[in-house]
Amino acid sequence: DQQVKQNSPSLSVQEGRISILNCDYTNSMFDYFLWYKKYPAEGPTFLISISSIKDKNEDGRFTVFLNKSAKHLSLHIVPSQPGDSAVYFCAATGTYKYIFGTGTRLKVLA
Amino acid sequence: DTGVSQNPRHKITKRGQNVTFRCDPISEHNRLYWYRQTLGQGPEFLTYFQNEAQLEKSRLLSDRFSAERPKGSFSTLEIQRTEQGDSAMYLCASSFARGGEFNSPLHFGNGTRLTVT
Repeated sequence: DQQVKQNSPSLSVQEGRISILNCDYTNSMFDYFLWYKKYPAEGPTFLISISSIKDKNEDGRFTVFLNKSAKHLSLHIVPSQPGDSAVYFCAATGTYKYIFGTGTRLKVLA
Repeated sequence: DTGVSQNPRHKITKRGQNVTFRCDPISEHNRLYWYRQTLGQGPEFLTYFQNEAQLEKSRLLSDRFSAERPKGSFSTLEIQRTEQGDSAMYLCASSFARGGEFNSPLHFGNGTRLTVT
């Protein structure tokens, strides 16, 4: 029972262009959503979050969009840089348990 | 700024042996989590502490697994009689939140990679 789904295992983007990573969830009780970045041999690093009372949150090059009716969130990275190459996880919670997706591997091509 | 610290970084053990991992959270954080991650998967919830109280334990954790957080500071995760299926990255995370709120990010350590041979 995968409550948080990232259907694209990988994504390649040219440097300077926009990267869009997608995430779907099934549990309507989720009210806080997060994105993490993970490099090999390191733990996930928190990037940006959004509460269900908002539909957009922006932090520098990173913007998260939340569509509650579609149970969908996305992470936009503009402009994409080679250092953004990593695995990105979305996560959601409504209680103590943060549920993670399976990740999308982003490769930014120089 | 000291983040979440986990030791050891790597552990190789023979099947049937016991192992113990340690996590030192960010000092002002009152919540501590253990997650497990296997190849191609996202982190899976194992257990959660608020201060020193263990409030939830996933059914993923068999009775061979035990976690403690004495005095609400560092935490240990022990696996007894390890099996090859226990091979994974074990991640610790901490957060600060007031009361019953769950709207703050988890901050992860770099994990302990366990290999059971």
